[in-house]
Amino acid sequence: GNSVTQMEGPVTLSEEAFLTINCTYTATGYPSLFWYVQYPGEGLQLLLKATKADDKGSNKGFEATYRKETTSFHLEKGSVQVSDSAVYFCALSDQKGYSTLTFGKGTMLLVSP
Amino acid sequence: KAGVTQTPRYLIKTRGQQVTLSCSPISGHRSVSWYQQTPGQGLQFLFEYFSETQRNKGNFPGRFSGRQFSNSRSEMNVSTLELGDSALYLCASSFDRGSFPYEQYFGPGTRLTVT
Repeated sequence: GNSVTQMEGPVTLSEEAFLTINCTYTATGYPSLFWYVQYPGEGLQLLLKATKADDKGSNKGFEATYRKETTSFHLEKGSVQVSDSAVYFCALSDQKGYSTLTFGKGTMLLVSP
Repeated sequence: KAGVTQTPRYLIKTRGQQVTLSCSPISGHRSVSWYQQTPGQGLQFLFEYFSETQRNKGNFPGRFSGRQFSNSRSEMNVSTLELGDSALYLCASSFDRGSFPYEQYFGPGTRLTVT
């Protein structure tokens, strides 16, 4: 079956540090890949997505590249802010025509001033 | 445009009882999915409804059921509650038109506590 593995947190960084959160996946065919973010007390928000190999998703300074050869979709940001503190989820969708998502366990990011 | 709304936001039930959670999707969205979020298992897919029909189902026991109404609003029901059902239940809706993958918009969730 499908699965998503992401690095365990919490990841603790100082403001303006470089961020990488690793994500690898197992799926049949060619899944679409996503990063979602969850702020305290809120639901999930789509941060970025990529639908085919070598696609780069980007939003709000975050980037992730779909690497089929390494089955990875690592999240990066060059300079984090305190407001980026949240839980980040990597996810995939492999059923064309459906919206079902398979999520990783989530990585908490804590950014201090 | 109003987002996905879920009611109630918090719920406390006793083991053995049943519970019904409600989800109102974004206007015009026809697909509604439900997910369970727990610290141990993370986010797990429960089921998806589209045009009042269950289109996809996750690996949960039959105590978990759902339905969708003609206005796309959805309810999920959990019967004979167990302590392990304590979780945040998230609902997501999507438009399901245009190019795939269809973006899912999540509600704030219902926090269910079983005592």
